[in-house]
Amino acid sequence: NAGVMQNPRHLVRRRGQEARLRCSPMKGHSHVYWYRQLPEEGLKFMVYLQKENIIDESGMPKERFSAEFPKEGPSILRIQQVVRGDSAAYFCASSPSGTANYGYTFGSGTRLTVV
Amino acid sequence: GQQLNQSPQSMFIQEGEDVSMNCTSSSIFNTWLWYKQDPGEGPVLLIALYKAGELTSNGRLTAQFGITRKDSFLNISASIPSDVGIYFCAGREGQFYFGTGTSLTVIP
Repeated sequence: NAGVMQNPRHLVRRRGQEARLRCSPMKGHSHVYWYRQLPEEGLKFMVYLQKENIIDESGMPKERFSAEFPKEGPSILRIQQVVRGDSAAYFCASSPSGTANYGYTFGSGTRLTVV
Repeated sequence: GQQLNQSPQSMFIQEGEDVSMNCTSSSIFNTWLWYKQDPGEGPVLLIALYKAGELTSNGRLTAQFGITRKDSFLNISASIPSDVGIYFCAGREGQFYFGTGTSLTVIP
């Protein structure tokens, strides 16, 4: 399966805990994008990463959120001290280059519920 | 981030009817995409548009890139139950920015 893999599919965290969301891009893709989708809303851009580099984090909340895409392994979106408002679906997408005009390939998402 | 507005917000149609939805932006984009999202899944690319005025078809789907480069529309002909889902437009300025979505319900 060469698709974008995200895990876990569902994640439940209590307020104050940490959430770690993982994304393995499609084979041959070195650019990863994270989007957040709140219930009944569209996708909001969060961050764009290449291997070992953050290219654009203009959509990331200033506090508690961080992302990385190490040389080896999946991209990680980390949310510290989660609050109820962090409950959302988080989607990862990948592309083979940063100039991919033909769009991104999305994973199936991680649905985070904060209780 | 960029603001893309889609209309209508939701549609309820009978199977077999044609569907039309559009997307407008305050910014000019050089690329427009249309995605479909099934419940519980990630968005899947339907159609990509690269030139102002371009009209592109993919089966029963037809999309157009507006002349002003600030809008796009998507038509679905002869709708079927599996067309149900949320349709998103996306425009590129650096990253892709997504619209608010049009939710489509097809009544058999």
